[in-house]
This record gives sequence, structure tokens and C-alpha cells, in this order.
Amino acid sequence: ETGVTQTPRHLVMGMTNKKSLKCEQHLGHNAMYWYKQSAKKPLELMFVYSLEERVENNSVPSRFSPECPNSSHLFLHLHTLQPEDSALYLCASSQDGGGRDKWTGELFFGEGSRLTVL
Amino acid sequence: QKEVEQNSGPLSVPEGAIASLNCTYSDRGSQSFFWYRQYSGKSPELIMSIYSNGDKEDGRFTAQLNKASQYVSLLIRDSQPSDSATYLCAVTLIKAAGNKLTFGGGTRVLVKP
Repeated sequence: ETGVTQTPRHLVMGMTNKKSLKCEQHLGHNAMYWYKQSAKKPLELMFVYSLEERVENNSVPSRFSPECPNSSHLFLHLHTLQPEDSALYLCASSQDGGGRDKWTGELFFGEGSRLTVL
Repeated sequence: QKEVEQNSGPLSVPEGAIASLNCTYSDRGSQSFFWYRQYSGKSPELIMSIYSNGDKEDGRFTAQLNKASQYVSLLIRDSQPSDSATYLCAVTLIKAAGNKLTFGGGTRVLVKP
């Protein structure tokens, strides 16, 4: 497999369910991201992991819980979600600059997981 | 105030014409600027990056940056129907680690044959 793969591609869950989204990158990158894309809203950054450490948590509700066991895998654990959490969840990876290296700004996105909360 | 603002469109251009997209940002400390293209039902992909004031050309695309005015633009010359997509402006402040992009809401472009 190449690039960034996300599973599942579609998920329907009730408000009391617990589910997880999975992301895997095969690009050798050292940073991974979760973004949320809702209709008529900009892409919203949820979490950033660089070198497997969480360096950014954009005030995301605790019902979203990320996990990054290694530089190639990223999970988003979901529990007691609300209907307004229905959106496309995009995972991305990049090679983080680190120090004086200029970050290219190129994020490689997966195809996304379309989440519907009933 | 939104951090990165774009006109949502749609911007309708005839085939062969120039499409002009604009983006403004609020953080004066932003250092790097990017344009991503997102086709309907697909994920965003990087098409241009610009770091210094002035113009940068890549094929039919030209990015323009004016840091004093906090303004970035993208020109698409000889627009083709295949250019129909949503174009996302993104900005960042380069850090040692944990770099992230802040995206605008995107401008939808429709190129009509």
C-alpha cells in the first residue's frame, strides 16, 4: 500500500457508541494530523503528532481521543458523540522540518472517513 | 475575525480565461503560504507554495504574495474544465516541530467549456 490510508471510509454510529478511526501512512513521515471537514466550514485542525508526541490539541472536546502508537499509525477514538460531530475526518502526514530545515507545508491526506452520528 | 479568509464562490470562468483567487490572513507572523486543490469527493492536494513577497509561477499557476497587505492570490491561466475544484488557501508559522496549516474555507471554481 502507498500513501495515507484511512479506515473505515464510512461510519454510522449512535450517540452512545464507541468506535475508532484508523490512519496509516506509508511515506516515512514523522508527523501526523487529524482534520475535521464539515460542510461550509474550513478544514479544522484537531490534533498534531510530531515524532509520536502530541504537540497540538486545538481545544477538541474530550469525546474525541487520539492515539499515536508509532510514527506510521494514528487513531481517533470516538465516544458519546453528538449529531453535530457528523463530518469528514481527514488524516494527513508530513515530514516535519525540525530546527532549521524549512517545512515544505505539504500534507499528504488520506481519503477520509465519513462519519454520521445519529 | 477568521484567521484565513476566502470568497467561497463559485467563481465561474470560461474555458481559456484566467481565474483569479484571493486570500487574506490575520496573523502577521505567518511565514509560509500554500494553495491546495480539492476535487469534489477527494482530499486536498498541494499545488503551490510561496514564502517571499512577489510572484511565483509553476506552469499555468501563479501565486502572488504581499505580506504587508496580508494577501495571497492564485492565478490560473488558460483555465480548463479539469481545473474545476475548490481551492484552499493555507498559512503557517514555521516552528521547530509540530508544524500545522491553518486553512481558509476555500473558493469553488467552475470552468465552463
